[in-house]
Amino acid sequence: EAQVTQNPRYLITVTGKKLTVTCSQNMNHEYMSWYRQDPGLGLRQIYYSMNVEVTDKGDVPEGYKVSRKEKRNFPLILESPSPNQTSLYFCASSGRMNTEAFFGQGTRLTVV
Amino acid sequence: DAKTTQPPSMDCAEGRAANLPCNHSTISGNEYVYWYRQIHSQGPQYIIHGLKNNETNEMASLIITEDRKSSTLILPHATLRDTAVYYCITFRTGTASKLTFGTGTRLQVTL
Repeated sequence: EAQVTQNPRYLITVTGKKLTVTCSQNMNHEYMSWYRQDPGLGLRQIYYSMNVEVTDKGDVPEGYKVSRKEKRNFPLILESPSPNQTSLYFCASSGRMNTEAFFGQGTRLTVV
Repeated sequence: DAKTTQPPSMDCAEGRAANLPCNHSTISGNEYVYWYRQIHSQGPQYIIHGLKNNETNEMASLIITEDRKSSTLILPHATLRDTAVYYCITFRTGTASKLTFGTGTRLQVTL
């Protein structure tokens, strides 16, 4: 079954404690991206990757890092989380021609 | 990518057709129209996309006006499970994967 898997689904952490949200896809997609969703602001792109070792900033990259060492994985790293990064996060992947994007089930992050 | 405008909310009776409009008056010739929906706080789900011609799949139909400045997503027989936020997006395939989601239309299907 084609899917994008995010872990964890829920996470509560404290300010400044480094964390990583993992994302994995099984469709051999070139493109992967991270979004955050906040009430009233919709989905905003954080980072995207067009292929292995190729990443670029989206609309709201501050405070986040990503890496793409393998085609299937695209982890989101928060080196020093802050409360304003409390949000619902989605990972997505799509093929080269972007016929459709597949989204993970989301990670609800709370930073206290 | 072109900006899209959608009504914030709509209601539909179960079993009836739900017609969700979208305005994309600044769409360029190589931009597709995509529709996604998000049920509760789940990940957005792809529904359908098109360029110029009308499209139909097992979930929905997409009607694009001849001038491509607007489109309508049709759910032919809405069910309670179709209650969701529906997003209309324009996108040039083959470019970086950046989907710009607006605030969408919240469709409420009622008995």
